[in-house]
Amino acid sequence: DAGVIQSPRHEVTEMGQEVTLRCKPISGHNSLFWYRQTMMRGLELLIYFNNNVPIDDSGMPEDRFSAKMPNASFSTLKIQPSEPRDSAVYFCASSWTSKAYEQYFGPGTRLTVT
Amino acid sequence: RKEVEQDPGPFNVPEGATVAFNCTYSNSASQSFFWYRQDCRKEPKLLMSVYSSGNEDGRFTAQLNRASQYISLLIRDSKLSDSATYLCVVNIPNSGYALNFGKGTSLLVTP
Repeated sequence: DAGVIQSPRHEVTEMGQEVTLRCKPISGHNSLFWYRQTMMRGLELLIYFNNNVPIDDSGMPEDRFSAKMPNASFSTLKIQPSEPRDSAVYFCASSWTSKAYEQYFGPGTRLTVT
Repeated sequence: RKEVEQDPGPFNVPEGATVAFNCTYSNSASQSFFWYRQDCRKEPKLLMSVYSSGNEDGRFTAQLNRASQYISLLIRDSKLSDSATYLCVVNIPNSGYALNFGKGTSLLVTP
């Protein structure tokens, strides 16, 4: 079975550019989570969806970040405009609601903003 | 203040050794606890849940002390393949399924 799929795997962009990260959760999972990982702050939850509805976005750093889940098999995280401090690894994870804490992570997108 | 605190290590141990990691959490209302494992430049993966009575999975034993808000992971008979970062994870109360991850403890098992 395919795991969580993320694209792109690596992204290098210049400050001010728009960045869109994509995630396809495991088929049948109905919870989806976006995380950011840096050396300084570790792994931080940005936002999570349940049945395509955003439930908690308190971790989204600021208005430059937005996330959508138009259907059960696709989600995007957008940063506009990007800044160097956004450089991090962004992970998407999914789970069944009945086992919501057993989260399956994608391979991550390594974002570098110069 | 970070809500989940771990000693970052690194812990360098020889193969076959027993090693223990500890973690403290700040929110006494948390009810669910886990250990995740993360290999270098890879994604985190669930290692095991931590139950109030303590639980064991092969060479791995997890313990929870609610009074002290303390979680531990014991690895017996360490293997080279156990080398990884171990993340202590706690649920965020009243926030649905949100999890709080510690920054991790790095383990290196040497021949």
